[in-house]
Amino acid sequence: DTGVSQDPRHKITKRGQNVTFRCDPISEHNRLYWYRQTLGQGPEFLTYFQNEAQLEKSRLLSDRFSAERPKGSFSTLEIQRTEQGDSAMYLCASSPPEGPGIGTQYFGPGTRLLVL
Amino acid sequence: SQELEQSPQSLIVQEGKNLTINCTSSKTLYGLYWYKQKYGEGLIFLMMLQKGGEEKSHEKITAKLDEKKQQSSLHITASQPSHAGIYLCGADKSAGGTSYGKLTFGQGTILTVHP
Repeated sequence: DTGVSQDPRHKITKRGQNVTFRCDPISEHNRLYWYRQTLGQGPEFLTYFQNEAQLEKSRLLSDRFSAERPKGSFSTLEIQRTEQGDSAMYLCASSPPEGPGIGTQYFGPGTRLLVL
Repeated sequence: SQELEQSPQSLIVQEGKNLTINCTSSKTLYGLYWYKQKYGEGLIFLMMLQKGGEEKSHEKITAKLDEKKQQSSLHITASQPSHAGIYLCGADKSAGGTSYGKLTFGQGTILTVHP
């Protein structure tokens, strides 16, 4: 499978705990995006990387959220001191640097987070 | 910020019927993307439109972008149960559509197809 992969697919945690999600983009894609989706809504942008550089962060990304892409390949999204309002589907996407698909974002299966 | 409004919010059709989903923007659309999502899963890319009046088709699904580039429609011909899911439109906010940055999405249209 050469698509975007995310791990874990599901995570249940207690309020106040830290969680970390991983995203592996399509191998030749240099841009990587994180979105959050709540029930009945479209995805909301959180942040994106071009190679290892984090180019934009949404206001939704509070100080408790941090994302990294240390070697320009996989990325991690960490949420510290989780709150019940963090319960959502966290989606990762990647896009190619050139060619006919440039700019098109291809999404992973998502990580569904439930904070109790 | 770019607001995208989708209509209808939900749609129930009988297998074999045609249907249309609309996506309207408050600002000019420079890159408009259509995705399909099954409940609890990721988004599947369908089509991307950039030019006013552009139309693309894939199998029984046709997407159009109007000349003013503020409205797009997704039309499904002879719907099948496999078409069921959530359809989302997303837009690149940048003028010229070349920043390849974040997408702003509509709230989605839930399609149910009864056999």
